[in-house]
Amino acid sequence: RKEVEQDPGPFNVPEGATVAFNCTYSNSASQSFFWYRQDCRKEPKLLMSVYSSGNEDGRFTAQLNRASQYISLLIRDSKLSDSATYLCVVSGSGYSTLTFGKGTMLLVSP
Amino acid sequence: IAGITQAPTSQILAAGRRMTLRCTQDMRHNAMYWYRQDLGLGLRLIHYSNTAGTTGKGEVPDGYSVSRANTDDFPLTLASAVPSQTSVYFCASSGVAGYNEQFFGPGTRLTVL
Repeated sequence: RKEVEQDPGPFNVPEGATVAFNCTYSNSASQSFFWYRQDCRKEPKLLMSVYSSGNEDGRFTAQLNRASQYISLLIRDSKLSDSATYLCVVSGSGYSTLTFGKGTMLLVSP
Repeated sequence: IAGITQAPTSQILAAGRRMTLRCTQDMRHNAMYWYRQDLGLGLRLIHYSNTAGTTGKGEVPDGYSVSRANTDDFPLTLASAVPSQTSVYFCASSGVAGYNEQFFGPGTRLTVL
């Protein structure tokens, strides 16, 4: 099992739609979880941290399921500007750093 | 504005040449990282530094070296560039290695011919 796995997509959705991404991770000892956003080969930017109790930031909701070892990102009322690649990030690899998934591409159309 | 800067923004380099990519952060973060990103392969860690004076090898360290003489700077050197090192290189930093979120620089687009 890869350390962090994501569906590469693309997810094609119309404006206003709700879309959800899942990400699975292999290290049960992982303690920190994040979602990053990356636009068109620009630098990844932190979207939100993921807490055990789940957390919400505007239209974005993140959930953590430790028993099944996955995290999710829900985007409500999608905007054109949400089009990007979303990276799932998990702590606990062997390099004293974070492990980045390869990302899920989202395309929001008018 | 606090953050991470990288230089150069882009570079075309002849194979066999030596090249140093610069990275500077002003957030007083302890940890710094170098990644390369290639289509279909995602971000791959090259080298990291948990604190000034220490460095470690990541997933793809061959052909690259780093140093961490102080907190702010973390240069990446390609001793003798090869075409397979054509990539986008991102530098990142975090407060504490392995747990805190990482903040990325704008990247260096390197082409080795």
